[in-house]
Order: sequence, then C-alpha cells, then structure tokens
Amino acid sequence: KQEVTQIPAALSVPEGENLVLNCSFTDSAIYNLQWFRQDPGKGLTSLLLIQSSQREQTSGRLNASLDKSSGRSTLYIAASQPGDSATYLCAVRRRGFGNEKLTFGTGTRLTIIP
Amino acid sequence: DTGVSQNPRHKITKRGQNVTFRCDPISEHNRLYWYRQTLGQGPEFLTYFQNEAQLEKSRLLSDRFSAERPKGSFSTLEIQRTEQGDSAMYLCASSPGGREVNYGYTFGSGTRLTVV
Repeated sequence: KQEVTQIPAALSVPEGENLVLNCSFTDSAIYNLQWFRQDPGKGLTSLLLIQSSQREQTSGRLNASLDKSSGRSTLYIAASQPGDSATYLCAVRRRGFGNEKLTFGTGTRLTIIP
Repeated sequence: DTGVSQNPRHKITKRGQNVTFRCDPISEHNRLYWYRQTLGQGPEFLTYFQNEAQLEKSRLLSDRFSAERPKGSFSTLEIQRTEQGDSAMYLCASSPGGREVNYGYTFGSGTRLTVV
C-alpha cells in the first residue's frame, strides 16, 4: 500500500526567504508525482507535475525534484511572498492495479511572515 | 473552457437528509474522479469514471453513496441519509486519460458539506 508523508506539517518563514517542502512515498513504482496548492476552504490548484523519468520540473519561482529510487520529492520555493501562504500537498500516481487514483500526503501548511 | 466546475460550493443539511453534488469536468477529459477531504487530511479517493463507466470504487464509498456520469460528461454524487461523519470537502477532478498514462489531474473548487 502506497503511503505518502509530508514533513513538516507546518512551516513559518519570513518573506523573501527560500524554502524547501518535503514529500516521501513508500512505493517507488509510480507514474508521476504532482504538487498542489490549497488555500483555506478551497479546491486544489496544480503547481507542478513531474514524471517518473524526470528529475525536476520548474515553473517560475517553484522547482520540484524527484528521486524515485529513494521515494522522495522536494518543492523549492524561491524568494517567498505572503501570497505563497497556503497548504501544499503532494500526490503520487502508482503503477499497476489501481493506477487511476492519486495517493496524497497530509500537506504542509506554509505561512510567509511579511 | 474554465476548468472543473463543482456545484454547490457549500451545502448545509440536517442529519438524515439526502444531498446531491454536481461536477462538470474539462470538456475533452474522459476520466472523472471524486475525492473526499476531511479537516487536516489529504484528499482520499472515492471513485472514478472513464466516460460513463464507473470503473473503481473505494471502500470509503458506503452503500449510502452513489455516483453517476450518465452521458460521460457531468457527474453527480449523491449521499443518502447523511450522517455527521459525512461532513467534509468533496472534490472532483478530471484527466484526459487515453493511451498516454503520464497525465496530471485538474481539480475543481470542491463542495463543502456540513451535516448538522
């Protein structure tokens, strides 16, 4: 059974700092990993999709890395802004039976202090 | 196309009542998914459709829950005889599917259900 863990559960940093969010998963047989952002009471916004064959993906100030063999992904946010405050969720899509569903972590709640 | 649309955004209902939620996926996406998210947790898979066929259901989907996608376009999720434990955010997502397996998912804004 795939399990996804995100550490830390909450993080507060001053505005302007670079930061890293972590995601680990137990089964390395995945198609891809997706990072989402969720604002309070809202749905999920996709940030980055990284395929199992890729090592990293970049979008603006965001960079996601994937080390499939060790079951780890990181989301790097450069020059953080108060508008980055949200919960960040990672989700993996496994290979094989049941591969249509995503398995999510419980998220990291990020607060950027102005 | 403006993405995945869910209605209503919020629903407050009394215990024992039936509720129905609607999801309109991205028009060219043939796969549609329902997830449930409780406070402080990540979303959990409930069920998914390929076109009009419901291909997988989670054990979380008790017999009080039913989902349909009658014409392979929009989908409805009905909860009968609601219980307080059904209070959650219900999220819908869609994906293009097809032979290319490495696709991502697009989620809607969710329906927040509160059972009182």
